[in-house]
Amino acid sequence: DTGVSQDPRHKITKRGQNVTFRCDPISEHNRLYWYRQTLGQGPEFLTYFQNEAQLEKSRLLSDRFSAERPKGSFSTLEIQRTEQGDSAMYLCASSTSGNTDTQYFGPGTRLTVL
Amino acid sequence: RKEVEQDPGPFNVPEGATVAFNCTYSNSASQSFFWYRQDCRKEPKLLMSVYSSGNEDGRFTAQLNRASQYISLLIRDSKLSDSATYLCAVEGSQGNLIFGKGTKLSVKP
Repeated sequence: DTGVSQDPRHKITKRGQNVTFRCDPISEHNRLYWYRQTLGQGPEFLTYFQNEAQLEKSRLLSDRFSAERPKGSFSTLEIQRTEQGDSAMYLCASSTSGNTDTQYFGPGTRLTVL
Repeated sequence: RKEVEQDPGPFNVPEGATVAFNCTYSNSASQSFFWYRQDCRKEPKLLMSVYSSGNEDGRFTAQLNRASQYISLLIRDSKLSDSATYLCAVEGSQGNLIFGKGTKLSVKP
């Protein structure tokens, strides 16, 4: 158990609905990352935070996606107007901000858009 | 060229075999390299960081070749429990990790 938790573990929604996922990182980790993984692919980077600041966003993160980390602890990832192509495993990882900051992953939220 | 490429799988090996995975990366400025293991429908779990001098952890050995821009993972005396997908990960320019697609290993009795 890495200590990163995610909620919910599974989410089934209808196309067009909004969904929100939560990630709680390892408590002493100040960096938090969101990735998306589809079948047969490795995880793909979406965005990351250092404390409460969102420092980087991938071009994969369309306008329908928004992430927050308001107090520098837990983070939320919201997808608005979901599409079937959003179906994937959404993974959260956390790390410290050292030179070789190893990232530890949570169990993921599996999203299915019908 | 893709940023991170791995050997296509699957690798099907008998117990006790030695198996090697390679992974190439395109960004010569990358400084951090990792191997993760991922079981079916689970999250990636860190297996090893990869250092310039090479590193070993029991039956697992990881090596980095900066000149040729590849990393490798060697598993000796493979066990049934080693069956999983092995992902290589390379530090990206955005503070993220860039993953390969993964190589599936199946160890048979």
